[in-house]
Amino acid sequence: QVQLVESGGGVVQPGRSLRLSCAASGFTFSNCAIHWVRQAPGKGLEWVAVISYDGSNKYYGDSVKGRFTISRDNSKNTLYLQMNSLRAEDTAVYYCARDELGAILDYWGQGTLVTVSS
Amino acid sequence: EIVMTQSPATLSVSPGERATLSCRASQSVSSHLAWYQQKPGQAPRLLIYGASTRATGIPARFSGSGSGTEFTLTISSLQSEDFAVYYCQQYTNWPVTFGQGTKVEIK
Repeated sequence: QVQLVESGGGVVQPGRSLRLSCAASGFTFSNCAIHWVRQAPGKGLEWVAVISYDGSNKYYGDSVKGRFTISRDNSKNTLYLQMNSLRAEDTAVYYCARDELGAILDYWGQGTLVTVSS
Repeated sequence: EIVMTQSPATLSVSPGERATLSCRASQSVSSHLAWYQQKPGQAPRLLIYGASTRATGIPARFSGSGSGTEFTLTISSLQSEDFAVYYCQQYTNWPVTFGQGTKVEIK
């Protein structure tokens, strides 16, 4: 079955960096775009970024543009999110989600919590 | 950026009753509209895409309608497992945007 497992979250100081990973299994990873979506504590969903199936196209939300970088390694079935210059407002659960149908997020991981605090 | 507005923020419904949730887009998104369900401590789950197509394994009591800027998610007869937060999402333009959510609670 389709599985997405995020890792790499934790507590980090403002201004520092963190890299999240999303390990995929149960489907042909190299055929699908993958998104990052985040959810601040007690808040709604905020789209963060997307990368195309082959990594050639990437889009970012305005709140992370220039600070976050999405990438993938299709040989390892793994998605990444490099987060630099972290701010308190980046505190959230970060989900990766599969996109097989054109920005429709049909499978989601369970999320990894990032807390930005001094 | 397309702004998605959901109403009401909270909907109190008795089990077995019908629930109607609304989602409005700030500009036309055609039928590029999805609905997700999220329960506490869980990831969102895709319910509906293309405004009205149920995702795999979603019960027939969930239905979606609308196009352009006005959309509706209807749960025909609420079951205990349906009490959750529901989000709409447009995918016609980047960035993808979500509504703020409607919480369906037990009356």
